[in-house]
Amino acid sequence: AQKITQTQPGMFVQEKEAVTLDCTYDTSDPSYGLFWYKQPSSGEMIFLIYQGSYDQQNATEGRYSLNFQKARKSANLVISASQLGDSAMYFCAMRESPMDSSYKLIFGSGTRLLVRP
Amino acid sequence: GAVVSQHPSRVICKSGTSVKIECRSLDFQATTMFWYRQFPKQSLMLMATSNEGSKATYEQGVEKDKFLINHASLTLSTLTVTSAHPEDSSFYICSASRQGHNSPLHFGNGTRLTVT
Repeated sequence: AQKITQTQPGMFVQEKEAVTLDCTYDTSDPSYGLFWYKQPSSGEMIFLIYQGSYDQQNATEGRYSLNFQKARKSANLVISASQLGDSAMYFCAMRESPMDSSYKLIFGSGTRLLVRP
Repeated sequence: GAVVSQHPSRVICKSGTSVKIECRSLDFQATTMFWYRQFPKQSLMLMATSNEGSKATYEQGVEKDKFLINHASLTLSTLTVTSAHPEDSSFYICSASRQGHNSPLHFGNGTRLTVT
């Protein structure tokens, strides 16, 4: 079963507007972390934002915020005031807390965001 | 600046040859590193977890003998694609994390492998 689901293969947004990228996850582990990464066409993976399962408040990092709805198991990324440089692939990822303490991330399929001028 | 360095960034090799990719954590010790593979327009698929001083842990479906992983020190992991075939052509990207459940994975810039 898919652990991380991103249902939007592609999204368009007008420059300076806000956009929400969806992410739902599936886990029975009470302790987990959710991450968002940006991958430009160059291929590098850029860490954007983190949300822990026990965090009481939604995470924010500059123009990025995470709409964390634990009961619905969703962790949507909100990008405010979109810029042309935001055009990229965006991946949602989850880290569980396995007994072996490995810190691996499992990634969703990604959403390609295109910002229109 | 970059905290994980990966080399080479691009490599072209002939079928049947082996290719080694290096991944270094630059400013922290990484007892664990991760190797991912990414096909065009697809997500990152975890191949294996590289453990310093012990054998790597491979994900289901990943051939251990084809993708040799060595983690000889706390700052270096290598992935060797042995007897490469055209279907091994892909983007390989390594990552490492500082200790802590909430620490993000830091990624190298990836290696684009083309097997002719």
